[in-house]
Amino acid sequence: AQRVTQPEKLLSVFKGAPVELKCNYSYSGSPELFWYVQYSRQRLQLLLRHISRESIKGFTADLNKGETSFHLKKPFAQEEDSAMYYCALGGADGLTFGKGTHLIIQP
Amino acid sequence: NAGVTQTPKFQVLKTGQSMTLQCAQDMNHEYMSWYRQDPGMGLRLIHYSVGAGITDQGEVPNGYNVSRSTTEDFPLRLLSAAPSQTSVYFCASSFSPGSSYEQYFGPGTRLTVT
Repeated sequence: AQRVTQPEKLLSVFKGAPVELKCNYSYSGSPELFWYVQYSRQRLQLLLRHISRESIKGFTADLNKGETSFHLKKPFAQEEDSAMYYCALGGADGLTFGKGTHLIIQP
Repeated sequence: NAGVTQTPKFQVLKTGQSMTLQCAQDMNHEYMSWYRQDPGMGLRLIHYSVGAGITDQGEVPNGYNVSRSTTEDFPLRLLSAAPSQTSVYFCASSFSPGSSYEQYFGPGTRLTVT
């Protein structure tokens, strides 16, 4: 069975500090991994996907198959990054989400 | 394009009542799905559809029915509401399930069952 683990329910960092949101997955095949973000009172939206290897809003995530991880990183946090972040694994029927990490950026 | 729309935004039901949550998309996506979002649980897949006339169960299908008569619409029916179905419900659509295609989410329906 596929599973996504986000070990931190809440992560609080100061503005300008580096951010790392952890995500580990369990999947027998070749994984398709995503990070979705939900800002306050807004719908979920795609932040980035591993296959495109892009940087969005300063965030990057690298797939590490050896450690089965897809951690989300940003070198300098901004207040507008405060949101709920979900790591998700794509499958034949849909997405399997982690439980989410609430990121709070303190001024 | 309106994207993915959901109605209603809020709903309060009494135990045992039934209702239908509406979802529509105007992007000609074949794949549509319903998730529920609960505190500390993330989002869990209820039902999904890979095209008109085709539906299947997700992780938590009990107590819910779906149908897909058109490409655009994918309603979710609660047959006999229970307090355990108090949640925020999100509809999503995509060109394809999982894979590398982005899933587009609706604004959500906040349901309370008393």
